[in-house]
Order: sequence, then C-alpha cells, then structure tokens
Amino acid sequence: QVHLQESGPGLVKPSETLSLTCTVSGGSISNYFWSWIRQPAGKGLEWIGRIYSSGSTNYNPSLKSRVTMSVDTSKNQFSLRLSSVTAADTAVYYCAKYSSGGPYYWGQGTLVTVSS
Amino acid sequence: QSALTQPASVSGSPGQSITISCTGTSSDVGGYNYVSWHQQHPGKAPKLMIYEVRNRPSGVPDRFSGSKSGNTASLTISGLQAEDEADYYCSSYTSTSAELFGGGTKLTVL
Repeated sequence: QVHLQESGPGLVKPSETLSLTCTVSGGSISNYFWSWIRQPAGKGLEWIGRIYSSGSTNYNPSLKSRVTMSVDTSKNQFSLRLSSVTAADTAVYYCAKYSSGGPYYWGQGTLVTVSS
Repeated sequence: QSALTQPASVSGSPGQSITISCTGTSSDVGGYNYVSWHQQHPGKAPKLMIYEVRNRPSGVPDRFSGSKSGNTASLTISGLQAEDEADYYCSSYTSTSAELFGGGTKLTVL
C-alpha cells in the first residue's frame, strides 16, 4: 500500500515562501495525479492543487497566483511552494494520491505556522 | 468556487442510521460521478470512505454507503458505532478540473 510523508519547515516568516515535499513509498509516482490539501486549525479542508507525474498542474483559483507544484520522478517526490505567505496560510498541509477521481491515499499531514 | 454544502452536524444513537448530504451544482456534484467521502477523527489525517459516489475502498465496512441524486450526494452510515464519531467531508471533481470540498459535518454518536 502506498505511503505518503510530508516534510518541510514547520515555521515560515510572513512574506516568505512555504516549501513542502511529499515522499511517496510503496509505489511509483508515475502515471498518477498527486495533490496538496490544507486545513487551518478547527476548519475544513481546502484543495490547493493537483499535479500529474508528467508535470501538468491544476491549481485552486484562489491560490493560483502564489502556488507552484513540481514533481521529481527520480526521487518519487512532489513538492509545493506557496509564496508571500501570511498568517492565513497557517494550517496542516496534507499530500494525497489521486485515484478513481479523487484523493485516495492521504499523508499524515504537517503543521506549518506562519509567524515572525 | 464556493464549498459544497454539508450540514454542520448530525447525530444518532448506536445501531441507528444517519445520512449526511452534500449539495453542489451541475458543474461539480451533478456533473460527474467523482464524489468522494472522507472521515477524519480529531488530530488525524482524513481517510477515504467512499469514492466515485458509491464505491468503498478495501477495508471500509459495508455499513458505509454512498449515493447521488441530481446535484446532491449522500453518505449513509447504518448500524452506527461509537467509532464512527468523526468529521466527514465530501469532495467532488469540478468542470474547471479542480477539486471542491464540503464544509464538513460533525457526526456525534449519542
């Protein structure tokens, strides 16, 4: 069964860029869609975007101007960069594998706090 | 895009059945059979319970079932158990190739 693990800094300063990586094990990253989803404390889930193993992307329109996703098939990893962060970007960030039209397998999540 | 609409909370007694609705538009829920339901216990990652409207991943009890009518999808849990108490989120593929989540429903087992 596939396993996803998020990694990256837990603290980011306002106006800087948040960078996270999701490492996939138990299966190849190729030929699948992969996604980032976030959840502020006490709130619901927000879809950030999706990337195919070829590198094609779809982003949430509300975040599109600040989001970049990339994939490294040689490392079986995909990444998220969110620029110009504010306190509103403080959340648990999840990576997920898409299958059968939606998020199928989820990572355990990583808390990112935006604070000076 | 606005979030899909779910009731904020539902409750039921052990052994009973409950249904959680998820209302969207013809551009998401009504237009595609790519509706999923995710269970989230406090402090834990979400877990897929239903995909493609009505299909259960391996290991999910058959007490969980999904359906759709028009722009509204539904998750039904029969034979409620204490361990079912959690937050539930629906999600749907959309006409803009995005994914839309519902606001979440807190299920309380009385």
